[in-house]
Amino acid sequence: DAGITQSPRHKVTETGTPVTLRCHQTENHRYMYWYRQDPGHGLRLIHYSYGVKDTDKGEVSDGYSVSRSKTEDFLLTLESATSSQTSVYFCAISPTGDRTDTQYFGPGTRLTVL
Amino acid sequence: GQQVMQIPQYQHVQEGEDFTTYCNSSTTLSNIQWYKQRPGGHPVFLIQLVKSGEVKKQKRLTFQFGEAKKNSSLHITATQTTDVGTYFCAGPRGSNYKLTFGKGTLLTVNP
Repeated sequence: DAGITQSPRHKVTETGTPVTLRCHQTENHRYMYWYRQDPGHGLRLIHYSYGVKDTDKGEVSDGYSVSRSKTEDFLLTLESATSSQTSVYFCAISPTGDRTDTQYFGPGTRLTVL
Repeated sequence: GQQVMQIPQYQHVQEGEDFTTYCNSSTTLSNIQWYKQRPGGHPVFLIQLVKSGEVKKQKRLTFQFGEAKKNSSLHITATQTTDVGTYFCAGPRGSNYKLTFGKGTLLTVNP
């Protein structure tokens, strides 16, 4: 498996609280992605990064922000968590972002918002 | 926008039976990738198809890419309990960097 870790692995929080999820890679890959996975919806892209301080929105970015101050770290922040953000969050990385590039996924973070 | 649809959503088989999942795109794809996610796990890359009509095999798994590069299939011969999981197809979306994933097919195998 690629060197990707996510923290925390599990989190329970309350509605309205801020939450930050961390993705850390040791592969020095340029591209990093945050997905959420929900039953019946598959994997949906939240935000992605194509370099340090270079980020862009995915298809379900409302309520989420990201930051990437170092190549190895990509943070996902829920400014004010809502119950609809209860999900499993996966980070992924890819070396070049080319169309034929493979994405490597981290182990995931299970977030529950009460 | 581009959509990638997968059918069936669920498939339950007896061990030893064959299994096929289908992936259809609303637009022509430059390539298609397949991933497998074991229960409780994370998606893991299986294979990529690039050429029109391409067929690739990995042991009991056969992957096909349609002639028009808008559909693909994954066929598993003689399923085993180790094949249990969700199989996703994914195609590049728009510019580089992003993949559109199908919703996946959950395969369960009865021993």
